[in-house]
Amino acid sequence: SQQGEEDPQALSIQEGENATMNCSYKTSINNLQWYRQNSGRGLVHLILIRSNEREKHSGRLRVTLDTSKKSSSLLITASRAADTASYFCATANSMKTSYDKVIFGPGTSLSVIP
Amino acid sequence: NAGVMQNPRHLVRRRGQEARLRCSPMKGHSHVYWYRQLPEEGLKFMVYLQKENIIDESGMPKERFSAEFPKEGPSILRIQQVVRGDSAAYFCASRSGQQETQYFGPGTRLLVL
Repeated sequence: SQQGEEDPQALSIQEGENATMNCSYKTSINNLQWYRQNSGRGLVHLILIRSNEREKHSGRLRVTLDTSKKSSSLLITASRAADTASYFCATANSMKTSYDKVIFGPGTSLSVIP
Repeated sequence: NAGVMQNPRHLVRRRGQEARLRCSPMKGHSHVYWYRQLPEEGLKFMVYLQKENIIDESGMPKERFSAEFPKEGPSILRIQQVVRGDSAAYFCASRSGQQETQYFGPGTRLLVL
């Protein structure tokens, strides 16, 4: 079953606005990561938040984690056209494996209009 | 420190041919992952390898696909007798033993004619 699922599937905003993307998951996790992928390129790691953390910041990025609701959000403040990309959440757990297995969601496609 | 390298970046094969995709992890990284991405979709886990060992191949199709990560040299994802449904972007990621973060290569885009 799908571990992480992003919402919305697609988001279009004006430059300067904030963008919020959500990720829901079904089982317990050890950590959750957010990645960005520009069209036709590889994934770039943005931020990792562990299960015992509630919030992390990195520049214009803010990630929250609510383990009771099994959800995370990624907030990009003061968006720029260069933020246009697909954003993926990835959850890691070791429930069925001897290591932290990472499962990616289907992604949110963000378009920032200049 | 060079990032994860993948080659070729683009590969065109006819049905029935073999495809060999290479991944050189970041220096010092001994853990390698392969993922497949279809257009407009997320990444699907295929296989996880450490040097000379396959740790988890639960995402690999049972036939035609194989992966290795030899003691020396890059990791290889091999697809025998390719079919049109194998057309996708294949990404490799690596990490060190001490880190949780995976670092991705630019991917190999395979097109099967």
